[in-house]
Amino acid sequence: EAGVVQSPRYKIIEKKQPVAFWCNPISGHNTLYWYRQNLGQGPELLIRYENEEAVDDSQLPKDRFSAERLKGVDSTLKIQPAELGDSAVYLCASSLDRTSSGNTIYFGEGSWLTVV
Amino acid sequence: AQTVTQSQPEMSVQEAETVTLSCTYDTSENNYYLFWYKQPPSRQMILVIRQEAYKQQNATENRFSVNFQKAAKSFSLKISDSQLGDTAMYFCASSTQGGSEKLVFGKGTKLTVNP
Repeated sequence: EAGVVQSPRYKIIEKKQPVAFWCNPISGHNTLYWYRQNLGQGPELLIRYENEEAVDDSQLPKDRFSAERLKGVDSTLKIQPAELGDSAVYLCASSLDRTSSGNTIYFGEGSWLTVV
Repeated sequence: AQTVTQSQPEMSVQEAETVTLSCTYDTSENNYYLFWYKQPPSRQMILVIRQEAYKQQNATENRFSVNFQKAAKSFSLKISDSQLGDTAMYFCASSTQGGSEKLVFGKGTKLTVNP
């Protein structure tokens, strides 16, 4: 069974440029997460989707970040314009169903962003 | 709000020996889950072990086991017979309700297994 797939794995952009990250969750997983991991830190949640609905986006910097999950499967996270402080690893994750007890969250390999 | 604290930024152990990584947490929830994730240089977060707070029995997964002290809000990870492939960052995390609401992570412990 394929895991969570993310692309691109690595991206270097100049500040003020836009960037987008794509995520394909594990088949059948209704819940999708985007986390950001800064150097030397643990991941922090940016947004959580239940199917197509963003149910927790309280940590998403909405002035420059946007996300969508059309049709409740793949998701895209966009940053426009990027700032130097956005350099981080962006991790996508998915889980089966929030109503099931003891769900495990599975992570992709992450998209490494460097803003120069 | 949940918080997770890992007080050991780095640790090292000799191959085949045992090492314990510490984690403390704070939550106001009655029903919560605790996790240890491993993150190798590839950056993929891999679940090592999971503990339901309502279960008193400590979780075990092969060479990995936890010491869950609910009253003390402590959740340590013991790795027995350490292997070179165990070298990685280890993150302690907590979540509420069904375990898929929101993971809150600690800052991680860098573990190096020496040959």
